[in-house]
Amino acid sequence: DSGVTQTPKHLITATGQRVTLRCSPRSGDLSVYWYQQSLDQGLQFLIQYYNGEERAKGNILERFSAQQFPDLHSELNLSSLELGDSALYFCASSVLQGNYGYTFGSGTRLTVV
Amino acid sequence: DQQVKQNSPSLSVQEGRISILNCDYTNSMFDYFLWYKKYPAEGPTFLISISSIKDKNEDGRFTVFLNKSAKHLSLHIVPSQPGDSAVYFCAGAAFSSGSARQLTFGSGTQLTVLP
Repeated sequence: DSGVTQTPKHLITATGQRVTLRCSPRSGDLSVYWYQQSLDQGLQFLIQYYNGEERAKGNILERFSAQQFPDLHSELNLSSLELGDSALYFCASSVLQGNYGYTFGSGTRLTVV
Repeated sequence: DQQVKQNSPSLSVQEGRISILNCDYTNSMFDYFLWYKKYPAEGPTFLISISSIKDKNEDGRFTVFLNKSAKHLSLHIVPSQPGDSAVYFCAGAAFSSGSARQLTFGSGTQLTVLP
């Protein structure tokens, strides 16, 4: 157990639907990062939050949004889902913004049918 | 634009031999490089890192070499063990918007160590 908790582990939904992925960072970590891993692709950075504030955006679609709550847990909202959104979504946390030793959760596997 | 490339999707080596995983990058702004290991059904775990001002970092059986002029780094595992079988991701770190350093990952190399 890495200390980063992601729920649910698996999610199957239909095109056009909306889902919410949840992440609880490791205790004491203030930064949360979301990554997407599609088939045969590397980990694509989506967005980062630090202590409740958005700090950086990567290749995140406009249909996707995220937030970090006062208790530091984060949610990634995916709407108007398309088949191509099927992927593994990882959350990672770190103590500081510049700390490279991210701790990853075990991911949420999203399947859009 | 793939800033970090791992051109070998898979690698098989015999137990006890050396495993060499390669990574190329294009972004000159990377000031740190990291390797992560990922087992099935788990998230990636940090393995070893190297600052861009160094050319070698060693941690037990794992050594990372950096050749800045060639924009190339490699991970050496000696001796390789069956438990090392996993997907290995190379990543580069650089400051991006908001003064936050971000990791850019390669597509990974599946290492299989044969007993």
